[in-house]
Amino acid sequence: DAGITQSPRYKITETGRQVTLMCHQTWSHSYMFWYRQDLGHGLRLIYYSAAADITDKGEVPDGYVVSRSKTENFPLTLESATRSQTSVYFCASSGQLYGYTFGSGTRLTVV
Amino acid sequence: QKEVEQDPGPLSVPEGAIVSLNCTYSNSAFQYFMWYRQYSRKGPELLMYTYSSGNKEDGRFTAQVDKSSKYISLFIRDSQPSDSATYLCAMGSGGSNYKLTFGKGTLLTVNP
Repeated sequence: DAGITQSPRYKITETGRQVTLMCHQTWSHSYMFWYRQDLGHGLRLIYYSAAADITDKGEVPDGYVVSRSKTENFPLTLESATRSQTSVYFCASSGQLYGYTFGSGTRLTVV
Repeated sequence: QKEVEQDPGPLSVPEGAIVSLNCTYSNSAFQYFMWYRQYSRKGPELLMYTYSSGNKEDGRFTAQVDKSSKYISLFIRDSQPSDSATYLCAMGSGGSNYKLTFGKGTLLTVNP
């Protein structure tokens, strides 16, 4: 199916564990983005990528790692999860200037 | 001052009302403007975009941009319960920069 998919939809992990959130898009869009959404803060950019093997930090990158070896995949890794990283994570892609297409989100709880 | 300011609401209106949602911004480099709609537990979806001052209409929705005042609005006519969602404004500077800056969103409830 064409589109952008995130997995898992829900994840509970323990403090200190490494966890990877997956994002896959089928359009071959150049740009991909990771956001977190928290009450009172809105959407905050974590990392973005302009193409395969090109990534850059956003507003809140600390504690996160990304990679983009293939155009269609943009995984986000929390190296050592903390409770402050409990959030809803959205991946998005863009192939043109007029907007992003977002995935359905991953709801992550760190206990 | 934040780059984009948006009143978080919540905003509650009766069905059929005209809704006005607004954002202000401080960055003069912003050239194109978008509105996203986000239903509960879903990702944001692009609702409207515009890159010039003035009005753009799409069905019951009208996006308005006033670059001189750094102010954008989204109007919803004949609002429906299905319009109940969070509305986020977003702005970009264009060129080779694909990054968008989002407002925090306004939660709208349309009551039947």
